[in-house]
Amino acid sequence: DAGVTQSPTHLIKTRGQQVTLRCSPISGHKSVSWYQQVLGQGPQFIFQYYEKEERGRGNFPDRFSARQFPNYSSELNVNALLLGDSALYLCASSGVLSYEQYFGPGTRLTVT
Amino acid sequence: GEDVEQSLFLSVREGDSSVINCTYTDSSSTYLYWYKQEPGAGLQLLTYIFSNMDMKQDQRLTVLLNKKDKHLSLRIADTQTGDSAIYFCADPGAGYSTLTFGKGTMLLVSP
Repeated sequence: DAGVTQSPTHLIKTRGQQVTLRCSPISGHKSVSWYQQVLGQGPQFIFQYYEKEERGRGNFPDRFSARQFPNYSSELNVNALLLGDSALYLCASSGVLSYEQYFGPGTRLTVT
Repeated sequence: GEDVEQSLFLSVREGDSSVINCTYTDSSSTYLYWYKQEPGAGLQLLTYIFSNMDMKQDQRLTVLLNKKDKHLSLRIADTQTGDSAIYFCADPGAGYSTLTFGKGTMLLVSP
């Protein structure tokens, strides 16, 4: 079975631009969470979606938004990019056993 | 809010046992997790322990939980060079889905 997939793998953007990151959960999983991992730190929770509804939001500015589609895939959008948004963005999915969260390989975003 | 602390670095020789420690602050934690991250990769769920357990063994991995002291440890028996990675302790608090991670412990295994 395919694991969690994310696209693109790498992305370079300029300050002030907008970016969209994509995630496809494991087949059958209805919950998707997004995390930001800055170099040298542990991942920080951004959003969780379940059945297309937002179930949790971390301490991130309104420039960050997300949505989940009927097929349970998800997009994370970041507007007005700052240098500090440079990070690895991780998507995780969970299914019936909601305590098991499986992470994708991440999207490496570099803001110049 | 929740806080998770880990030591940052551990160096062992191949064949030795490794013990990675973690402390957490949220007493309502349901499960506690260990993830492994290899360079340039995402996180791999290694194992987890339910909060009403003291110990869980899974092949070379042993997880010990001391709820009184809010201390979690991961022991890797017969450590191999392929175990070199960053290990994260994660705490979901009372729920399951919003994980708070430590900063990670870099494990370096030398031949």
